[in-house]
Amino acid sequence: AQSVTQLGSHVSVSEGALVLLRCNYSSSVPPYLFWYVQYPNQGLQLLLKYTSAATLVKGINGFEAEFKKSETSFHLTKPSAHMSDAAEYFCAVSEGSASKIIFGSGTRLSIRP
Amino acid sequence: DARVTQTPRHKVTEMGQEVTMRCQPILGHNTVFWYRQTMMQGLELLAYFRNRAPLDDSGMPKDRFSAEMPDATLATLKIQPSEPRDSAVYFCASGLVGTGGFGKNIQYFGAGTRLSVL
Repeated sequence: AQSVTQLGSHVSVSEGALVLLRCNYSSSVPPYLFWYVQYPNQGLQLLLKYTSAATLVKGINGFEAEFKKSETSFHLTKPSAHMSDAAEYFCAVSEGSASKIIFGSGTRLSIRP
Repeated sequence: DARVTQTPRHKVTEMGQEVTMRCQPILGHNTVFWYRQTMMQGLELLAYFRNRAPLDDSGMPKDRFSAEMPDATLATLKIQPSEPRDSAVYFCASGLVGTGGFGKNIQYFGAGTRLSVL
């Protein structure tokens, strides 16, 4: 069965610094991978998704993620953090079009002025 | 701007009472998911529907929880009787999938119902 592990429940970076949120997945078949973001008191919204096309996926708000099969990773990055990026980020995986999507435990991103 | 609508946004009730949460999926979407979010367990999938038919409700405590889709514009999640451990934020999400399934499709989340059972 597929699973996803997010390393670090809380990440804090300075405004303007690189954002790196880590996600490792486990899947017996080529996975579909997603990053969702949750702002306070809101539902989740999609940042980006990987569905076996280009390994570097660009999303909204300047975020991107790279699928690395050899490392079973799908880390999320943004070159320069903005205060508005403060939120909880969820990595998610599914094993195919007929599979459920499994969410990770989430990483809370804080931005220091 | 199409969105998933959940009501109520907040609900405070006493142990033993029935709770009904409602979800209006995005018009035209054919899949609906119910999730529960807590600090301890994170985001848990409770149940999901495709074309109004329940596909999987294995994540839901069967003795007290029930999920239905009376029509394509309404999904409900009921808890009877409610218990303090049911306190959580409940999210509904909807999506549009073809015949191939939904594993690669985007889910659109509502803002959630924050339930407190005293």
